Amino acid sequence: QSALTQPPSASGSPGQSVTISCTGTSSDVGGYNYVSWYQQHPGKAPKLMIYDVTKRPSGVPDRFSGSKSGNTASLTVSGLQAEDEATYYCSSYAGSGNMVFGGGTKLTVL
Amino acid sequence: EVQLVESGGGLVQPGGSLGLSCAASGFTFSDYWMNWVRQAPGKGLEWVASIKKDGSEKYFVDSVKGRFTISRDNAKNSLYLQMNSLRVDDAAVYYCARSAAVAFDNWGQGTLVTVS
Repeated sequence: QSALTQPPSASGSPGQSVTISCTGTSSDVGGYNYVSWYQQHPGKAPKLMIYDVTKRPSGVPDRFSGSKSGNTASLTVSGLQAEDEATYYCSSYAGSGNMVFGGGTKLTVL
Repeated sequence: EVQLVESGGGLVQPGGSLGLSCAASGFTFSDYWMNWVRQAPGKGLEWVASIKKDGSEKYFVDSVKGRFTISRDNAKNSLYLQMNSLRVDDAAVYYCARSAAVAFDNWGQGTLVTVS
């Protein structure tokens, strides 16, 4: 049950694209197509942005997309907007009923 | 509208016990797995525990096994977390979260547990 690895920070200018990585192992990210991504603004509860690696819940802008290659999943935010500034967490199923989160990436919109 | 409202947080001494509750509304509670996720002050998210729709399966992060118990009352649309032998590093905001697919699709606003 080790945490997934995310870069502590990422940044981009409005309108640009930014990609956040999430690295795990073959026991979690690489072993299941159950990676999800959450957006958290300061003092607020997390919000689901992506699930099952690539799927977007209704209401989430299509500027947010997910992918996976091997043991690394990625979240791409295209057309950055000021309101995208937040901390993003990845999560993966890790087998035997367990879930694991990444350490979080603080996204700054310059 | 899905609503999850946690309660029961507070200050407790190391070694003490505390029980959290989560009142659910706006959906058929018995149709969903439910979870507790915590966030220590200034830190990231940590999955704590999950419980199956009918309560027949329960899973815990290693650090709380044997100390925490998760339960639910589908008749009352409520989720619970009983925390015993609390440690300083259990201090966190505890979120109740609903599972859809294999993700947490709705979250409460959290309840703060302080261990000191």
